[in-house]
Amino acid sequence: SQQGEEDPQALSIQEGENATMNCSYKTSINNLQWYRQNSGRGLVHLILIRSNEREKHSGRLRVTLDTSKKSSSLLITASRAADTASYFCAPYTISGGGADGLTFGKGTHLIIQP
Amino acid sequence: GAVVSQHPSRVICKSGTSVKIECRSLDFQATTMFWYRQFPKQSLMLMATSNEGSKATYEQGVEKDKFLINHASLTLSTLTVTSAHPEDSSFYICSAIEGTGPYGYTFGSGTRLTVV
Repeated sequence: SQQGEEDPQALSIQEGENATMNCSYKTSINNLQWYRQNSGRGLVHLILIRSNEREKHSGRLRVTLDTSKKSSSLLITASRAADTASYFCAPYTISGGGADGLTFGKGTHLIIQP
Repeated sequence: GAVVSQHPSRVICKSGTSVKIECRSLDFQATTMFWYRQFPKQSLMLMATSNEGSKATYEQGVEKDKFLINHASLTLSTLTVTSAHPEDSSFYICSAIEGTGPYGYTFGSGTRLTVV
């Protein structure tokens, strides 16, 4: 699978504000996944959006996908201190063989200030 | 939901010794498991892919004799860092999936390896 590039690399906002981070990729995909990593922990799957979807919601998360621009955005509304983490996107293309390992960019390090 | 248990969470070893890290899928059969390495404030780097009962496939630049991977059952994969050196100190994370994706990638909580 290809690597996505997250932007910005770091984001600091006040609790209660919305946080937006972006992901760009290079070649066509079947879906794109977003993951969260708390410091010193593994990754937690947040949401998957298929290539034929433009927007998807899950709780306070809103993900958009623009395949023409090869980009996605993750919006976290009404941020909380617990949202402080690194966020990674994983563009995914089905290869037809076995499962491929996901590859990740450097992520967006989000800090929620109390 | 699917759970992947990784053990140990932290390990300190002396230079020249070997360290084994275990990755277990607790409530599903992991057709494929993946091993990643992560440096501080960096991305996860895919090291290798292992399928139960077959040899692991290593990414370019990863020394297969240094990082031995065994996927002996559908619920267990191990990564052994052989003859560890300080530069092997890192955060190692496993991931497991049942089937061929794209859904259901589950990650372990990681192992912090420090080689002194």
